[in-house]
Amino acid sequence: QKEVEQNSGPLSVPEGAIASLNCTYSDRGSQSFFWYRQYSGKSPELIMFIYSNGDKEDGRFTAQLNKASQYVSLLIRDSQPSDSATYLCAVNIGDNYGQNFVFGPGTRLSVLP
Amino acid sequence: NAGVMQNPRHLVRRRGQEARLRCSPMKGHSHVYWYRQLPEEGLKFMVYLQKENIIDESGMPKERFSAEFPKEGPSILRIQQVVRGDSAAYFCASSPPWEPSTDTQYFGPGTRLTVL
Repeated sequence: QKEVEQNSGPLSVPEGAIASLNCTYSDRGSQSFFWYRQYSGKSPELIMFIYSNGDKEDGRFTAQLNKASQYVSLLIRDSQPSDSATYLCAVNIGDNYGQNFVFGPGTRLSVLP
Repeated sequence: NAGVMQNPRHLVRRRGQEARLRCSPMKGHSHVYWYRQLPEEGLKFMVYLQKENIIDESGMPKERFSAEFPKEGPSILRIQQVVRGDSAAYFCASSPPWEPSTDTQYFGPGTRLTVL
């Protein structure tokens, strides 16, 4: 059973702080990793994708990937109340002949003004 | 550059009726995925399709649910004889043909199905 795990939260951080969201996955063959943000009643919105070990930065967001530890994280710097949402980690464990996306259950983030 | 389109956005059906949900992928995308999300729950994979082919339907209930992605036209998720437990948000996502670093899925706005 291929699994992607996240703490369900809620994770509460004060405005301006760094929010750290974590995700672990079970399949060592996983190739690509994604973070989506989902506001209540809305569809998931892609924030970041990462394919290689290390850090990838985009504005206030940094994705970190450690394939040896099967761990991917999302850091949100200078958190804003508008960042309050559920963050979904997704892992593609497919191969050249197909794709197999597995989503984690999501972590609910609350940024307190 | 239109994104993934889904219609209808809201659908109300009575028990026993059929629900038909449509998804048009982004231009250039040949892979379509359907997910179901119950209130306050995570996304559950249902089915993965390419044009005229079902690649993976391991998440689809064995009865009453079917999906297709014809050569022409949108992908359709069909639910026959709906029951109250089918009430959920159904999201469609699309992605381009697989290549390294182009396998991102983009989601449509969803169809919210309510079964009375």
